[in-house]
Amino acid sequence: DTGVSQDPRHKITKRGQNVTFRCDPISEHNRLYWYRQTLGQGPEFLTYFQNEAQLEKSRLLSDRFSAERPKGSFSTLEIQRTEQGDSAMYLCASSFGGALKDTQYFGPGTRLTVL
Amino acid sequence: KNEVEQSPQNLTAQEGEFITINCSYSVGISALHWLQQHPGGGIVSLFMLSSGKKKHGRLIATINIQEKHSSLHITASHPRDSAVYICAVRSAFGNEKLTFGTGTRLTIIP
Repeated sequence: DTGVSQDPRHKITKRGQNVTFRCDPISEHNRLYWYRQTLGQGPEFLTYFQNEAQLEKSRLLSDRFSAERPKGSFSTLEIQRTEQGDSAMYLCASSFGGALKDTQYFGPGTRLTVL
Repeated sequence: KNEVEQSPQNLTAQEGEFITINCSYSVGISALHWLQQHPGGGIVSLFMLSSGKKKHGRLIATINIQEKHSSLHITASHPRDSAVYICAVRSAFGNEKLTFGTGTRLTIIP
């Protein structure tokens, strides 16, 4: 499978714990995006990378959230001291970049439940 | 007011009906995406439009840049088309993020 993959697919954690999610983009894609989707809503932008550089972060990304893409390939999203409001689907997408090629391909998502 | 509005929020139709889902946006855009999301969360990109019309199988997407409006049409709808359809726009002003509508939940009854 050469699509975008995310791990884990589901995560249940207790409030106050730290969690880390991983995204593996399509291999030749240089752009990687993280989105969050709560129940009944459309996804909301969190952050995006071009290669290893984090170029934009949403105000939704509080100081408890950090994202990295150390070698310009896979990315991790860490949430520290989780809160119940963090419960959501976390989606990763990647794209080749450039206006004509910038279709974003989405992974299956990681569903986080904070108890 | 959200930057991207979709209508209707929910749509139930009989198999075979012609379906139209609408998307209006209030910002300048460089591209508009139509996405399909099935239960369980997976999102598939259906179309990316910057002008005119695109067709893929039974799906047709149109966009009117002057009116800031796009429509997604499904001809000869089938129960497997049941999903949430999401409109998303990419800003014309340099940043790369997508801004999403809240989606239209489509249910096709056999």
